[in-house]
Amino acid sequence: DAKTTQPTSMDCAEGRAANLPCNHSTISGNEYVYWYRQIHSQGPQYIIHGLKNNETNEMASLIITEDRKSSTLILPHATLRDTAVYYCIVRSTGNQFYFGTGTSLTVIP
Amino acid sequence: DTAVSQTPKYLVTQMGNDKSIKCEQNLGHDTMYWYKQDSKKFLKIMFSYNNKELIINETVPNRFSPKSPDKAHLNLHINSLELGDSAVYFCASSHTLLDKGNQPQHFGDGTRLSIL
Repeated sequence: DAKTTQPTSMDCAEGRAANLPCNHSTISGNEYVYWYRQIHSQGPQYIIHGLKNNETNEMASLIITEDRKSSTLILPHATLRDTAVYYCIVRSTGNQFYFGTGTSLTVIP
Repeated sequence: DTAVSQTPKYLVTQMGNDKSIKCEQNLGHDTMYWYKQDSKKFLKIMFSYNNKELIINETVPNRFSPKSPDKAHLNLHINSLELGDSAVYFCASSHTLLDKGNQPQHFGDGTRLSIL
């Protein structure tokens, strides 16, 4: 699986959009980009995934660059409950989810 | 309804004891997993079962033995517990049959194991 690089930590003001970047410059054509988050004391929570096109669901939007070497997870209106560690993972069929160190997002009142 | 449920949530026990953690999923998935999250928060896969058959066994001591009575359950039995086994253990499940790389895993809330 391709390696991902994320900032260690980020802050975001409550009510503003949180934009979490991820670099995956060695991603291969059949690898999907996944985002999970882990709120303290809970299990990792699936947020969104995509292959080439931008994706949106009720939780977030995923923007993947045209060359697929990076992506951004957007939480449109961050709340205090969005404070968590966010993991960007790339994987293809038959491969496992490898969780790195992620980005610790703190939403500030 | 809880999708992936683990019991117990907390487990405190003495070194040398044998203990089990249970996991059940009601998502109709065909594959289940056990992960270990250590004190540095790294989440590492331990085992994977597909339709009751072991398909992944990472470098895990043989004191750890997963058991899958059916595809909705994957239990983890640990013999002769050691101090280093203290961690949070997460169960997860996914659709492998449908997987083209696009099937997410869904996790339980973890079992916090503390060895005294």
